[in-house]
Amino acid sequence: NAGVTQTPKFRILKIGQSMTLQCAQDMNHNYMYWYRQDPGMGLKLIYYSVGAGITDKGEVPNGYNVSRSTTEDFPLRLELAAPSQTSVYFCASSFRSSGANVLTFGAGSRLTVL
Amino acid sequence: SQELEQSPQSLIVQEGKNLTINCTSSKTLYGLYWYKQKYGEGLIFLMMLQKGGEEKSHEKITAKLDEKKQQSSLHITASQPSHAGIYLCGVVSSAGDYKLSFGAGTTVTVRA
Repeated sequence: NAGVTQTPKFRILKIGQSMTLQCAQDMNHNYMYWYRQDPGMGLKLIYYSVGAGITDKGEVPNGYNVSRSTTEDFPLRLELAAPSQTSVYFCASSFRSSGANVLTFGAGSRLTVL
Repeated sequence: SQELEQSPQSLIVQEGKNLTINCTSSKTLYGLYWYKQKYGEGLIFLMMLQKGGEEKSHEKITAKLDEKKQQSSLHITASQPSHAGIYLCGVVSSAGDYKLSFGAGTTVTVRA
């Protein structure tokens, strides 16, 4: 059981380039999330999705886009990369029930923009 | 807006000693989730608290949610090297909401 799989694990981008971080889960979870983690800042929610075809902005969505065409996949697209987007990105998924919402996280994708 | 503070930011403990981490919110908590992160890895779920006064334990880790539901503590008894890592609290601070906001984390180092 793979859980939440993120690719790539590491990537270096030049300013202005674009790229997509891939996220896939095999637990049939309806909810999926993208967070970024900066040193000393905790995790900030970028985008989230409550099901295929439905996405919404989180706390820090500027400079990112997402899509959710299937239950399993939730890619995060960075357009015109900027140094401020240097961070570790985590994808998570959950199956919300009875008020509980335990997130399962991927291993993270470390992105550096130079 | 949500004000979430974890304390201490970091701590070093001698192997075998106890330690406590706190997570304090400026708002009432409707769900409190403790996670652990090892360097370069994702977050691993430890336990969830929802009711004021609730206490849960798993192996040598105990978490409590205070009666007023604005603070949680995580206590590790007889720490071991395997307890080293970053501990983060994730909270739900609006009734009916489900999205988690996370604290900045507490880095725990266990010295042999």
